[in-house]
Amino acid sequence: LAKTTQPISMDSYEGQEVNITCSHNNIATNDYITWYQQFPSQGPRFIIQGYKTKVTNEVASLFIPADRKSSTLSLPRVSLSDTAVYYCLVVIPGGKLIFGQGTELSVKP
Amino acid sequence: GAVVSQHPSWVICKSGTSVKIECRSLDFQATTMFWYRQFPKQSLMLMATSNEGSKATYEQGVEKDKFLINHASLTLSTLTVTSAHPEDSSFYICSARAGASSTDTQYFGPGTRLTVL
Repeated sequence: LAKTTQPISMDSYEGQEVNITCSHNNIATNDYITWYQQFPSQGPRFIIQGYKTKVTNEVASLFIPADRKSSTLSLPRVSLSDTAVYYCLVVIPGGKLIFGQGTELSVKP
Repeated sequence: GAVVSQHPSWVICKSGTSVKIECRSLDFQATTMFWYRQFPKQSLMLMATSNEGSKATYEQGVEKDKFLINHASLTLSTLTVTSAHPEDSSFYICSARAGASSTDTQYFGPGTRLTVL
């Protein structure tokens, strides 16, 4: 049975780098892994997506090992406004979309 | 770009009434739209997937006669919660995808808070 696992919560301080890992033991071989940020009472906001190796954009990096059984979202130099819940979204064989349980990141001054 | 809107942003209704929620892709055509439900402190749960001009595909355990989905155009999908009950109170979020491939990015609406009294 396909399943994703993320840490429930993480604490960090302003200016630190934060890495959040999502484990996904059985995902479709040809689909992207996507990460979203969600603030309370808002819809998820797209952060980054990738297929393998490393992807970087203006807000984050995404590391995906060759076996694609996990992915790590890296947020450089977080600020208070990065306090939110972060979700990974994967596609499992058959095309079904699965959201991770979400990681509640708390950034402290 | 890639903006998705929802209306209303919140709604309160009496038990037994029906509520319609609209989801629009404002600057792109959405071949596929998704409807999710989210309870407090929980992840998003996919309810159904709809492709423009065809019937929605519902996830296991979601009553298709209770949650009516219409995707009549490439920019609009609606979710109607029929005969709503207090247990239907939740945060409903839609997303839209420009392409039909699962590799295309989903963009989410701001969500609709439904409270059934």
